[in-house]
Amino acid sequence: GDSVTQMEGPVTLSEEAFLTINCTYTATGYPSLFWYVQYPGEGLQLLLKATKADDKGSNKGFEATYRKETTSFHLEKGSVQVSDSAVYFCALSGGGNTPLVFGKGTRLSVIA
Amino acid sequence: GAGVSQTPSNKVTEKGKYVELRCDPISGHTALYWYRQSLGQGPEFLIYFQGTGAADDSGLPNDRFFAVRPEGSVSTLKIQRTERGDSAVYLCASSLIAGSYNEQFFGPGTRLTVL
Repeated sequence: GDSVTQMEGPVTLSEEAFLTINCTYTATGYPSLFWYVQYPGEGLQLLLKATKADDKGSNKGFEATYRKETTSFHLEKGSVQVSDSAVYFCALSGGGNTPLVFGKGTRLSVIA
Repeated sequence: GAGVSQTPSNKVTEKGKYVELRCDPISGHTALYWYRQSLGQGPEFLIYFQGTGAADDSGLPNDRFFAVRPEGSVSTLKIQRTERGDSAVYLCASSLIAGSYNEQFFGPGTRLTVL
């Protein structure tokens, strides 16, 4: 079945550092890809998405590009802030009405 | 506007008891999803509704789990004869309609602890 693998955390960075969280997937067909974020004490929120190969999703300074050739959707941000501290989940949906399949999550801590 | 709400926020019960978890989706959203998130894991799909009917219940782990959405809005997840392994955060999400292109909006979850 479909699956998502993302780098294990926790990841600890200093403010203004560059962030990469790796995500690779296995899916049949052409899935849509997502990054969700869970801030402390809050529910999951969609951060960005891409629905076809070579699409780039972006939001709040975060970016991820749908790479079909490497089956990857790595999350990047050029300069992290303390407020970016959260758990980040990579997810896919296999198309049609199929539900989301999530990775295990990566906890990011940004220190001032 | 109001987001997805879930009640209770926390539920502690004893092994063998019956529990109900409630989800109020965003008004007008026809698709409703239930997920379960165990400690250190990502959410795992349980069941989803399009309208009143369960369109896909393939994620329910066994027949102790059941969910309903009788009027196409509020949904209740029911767990019979709870076991310690059922302890997790149960998440509800809704979207305007089902489909991978439609954003799912998540509630804060219900943390279930089975003693």
